[in-house]
Amino acid sequence: EAQVTQNPRYLITVTGKKLTVTCSQNMNHEYMSWYRQDPGLGLRQIYYSMNVEVTDKGDVPEGYKVSRKEKRNFPLILESPSPNQTSLYFCASSLHPGLAGTYEQYFGPGTRLTVT
Amino acid sequence: GEDVEQSLFLSVREGDSSVINCTYTDSSSTYLYWYKQEPGAGLQLLTYIFSNMDMKQDQRLTVLLNKKDKHLSLRIADTQTGDSAIYFCAETPNNAGNMLTFGGGTRLMVKP
Repeated sequence: EAQVTQNPRYLITVTGKKLTVTCSQNMNHEYMSWYRQDPGLGLRQIYYSMNVEVTDKGDVPEGYKVSRKEKRNFPLILESPSPNQTSLYFCASSLHPGLAGTYEQYFGPGTRLTVT
Repeated sequence: GEDVEQSLFLSVREGDSSVINCTYTDSSSTYLYWYKQEPGAGLQLLTYIFSNMDMKQDQRLTVLLNKKDKHLSLRIADTQTGDSAIYFCAETPNNAGNMLTFGGGTRLMVKP
């Protein structure tokens, strides 16, 4: 089954304790992206990756890191989480821009992060 | 920068039509989308429209685009309780690759 998976689905942590949220897709998509969802703000893009070893900042990259060492994986790293990073995080993937035409992005189920 | 706005909440009765509205500011938008988010789930693409189209119909869904007013709407005919969800409008600005700019989402509640 074609899907985007994220782990963990729920995480409660304390300020300053490094954490990683994993994202994996099995559709051989070149493009992957991380969003955070906050009430009334919709989804805002954190980072995206056009292909392996190619990453770029989205709208709200501060406090986050990403890596793209393999095509299927795109982990989101919070080196020193703070309470304002409490949010619902979504990973998404799609074919390379310009080839798919519809730019449809497939979303993972979300990771709810609470930083106390 | 780009801005996409939606009303927060819509309540309809089962069997009625629902109309969810969205306004955007970026006149260079090439694609406009409607995504559906059910409780506890990720976003699912419902439909999309090219910026050179005025209307697109897909079964119970009708998308209307008014480029002059930068207004997008999603009409759901014969709304069912299973349509209860949050609906997000999104756009892809020209030459922005796959970057999506989302509205804040409209929560649709369907009463039996």
